[in-house]
Amino acid sequence: EVQLVETGGALIQPGGSLRLSCAASGFTVSSNYMSWVRQAPGKGLEWVSVFYTSGSTYYADSVKGRFTISRDNSKNTVYLQMNSLRAEDTAVYYCARDSDYAFDCWGQGTLVTVSS
Amino acid sequence: QSALTQPPSASGSPGQSVTISCTGTRSDVGGYNYVSWYQQHPGKAPKLMIYGVSKRPSGVPDRFSGSKSGNTASLTVSGLQAEDEADYYCSSYAGSNNFVVFGGGTKLTVL
Repeated sequence: EVQLVETGGALIQPGGSLRLSCAASGFTVSSNYMSWVRQAPGKGLEWVSVFYTSGSTYYADSVKGRFTISRDNSKNTVYLQMNSLRAEDTAVYYCARDSDYAFDCWGQGTLVTVSS
Repeated sequence: QSALTQPPSASGSPGQSVTISCTGTRSDVGGYNYVSWYQQHPGKAPKLMIYGVSKRPSGVPDRFSGSKSGNTASLTVSGLQAEDEADYYCSSYAGSNNFVVFGGGTKLTVL
């Protein structure tokens, strides 16, 4: 069964750092584009970052320079390192597998709350 | 403000059809055949319903269909059922820098 499980969400103070993990099963992350998508409370979906099979990475302007996506092939896991967190980063963060720029598999999401 | 424009709400009675629009630009919807639609029930993760403008993943009922004309894509739900009540989001590839952009979402109510 194809599955994604995110962990790492927490309540964190503004300016703090957090690392989210996304463990995949049923498929190989290195053979797929993998993205992070977030959803602020009561709001819509926002693409955050993608890790291409080539190793290239891209980020939304709202997180560029603060967030870093990475991949551990041995653990079949994708990560999102989030630094200099702001209140506006508060959201449920989803990990998603990309197939032709369509997200065909999603995790259950992990909540990040940035607040003092 | 979302990159793609969707109506905030739509509604229909059971058995009826409803169409949700998604308007972008030549840089996203109009420039690529990579429009997708997602269904999201409260508290749940989104589910892919349409990809590549009009293709349905395995397991998605054929009551769901997609199309595109110029810079506007559309999702049509035919034979509305109670379980179709959810939020629907469109998305489009927007080039290597912007990657994927989403619409603001449409809340579909089955009356």
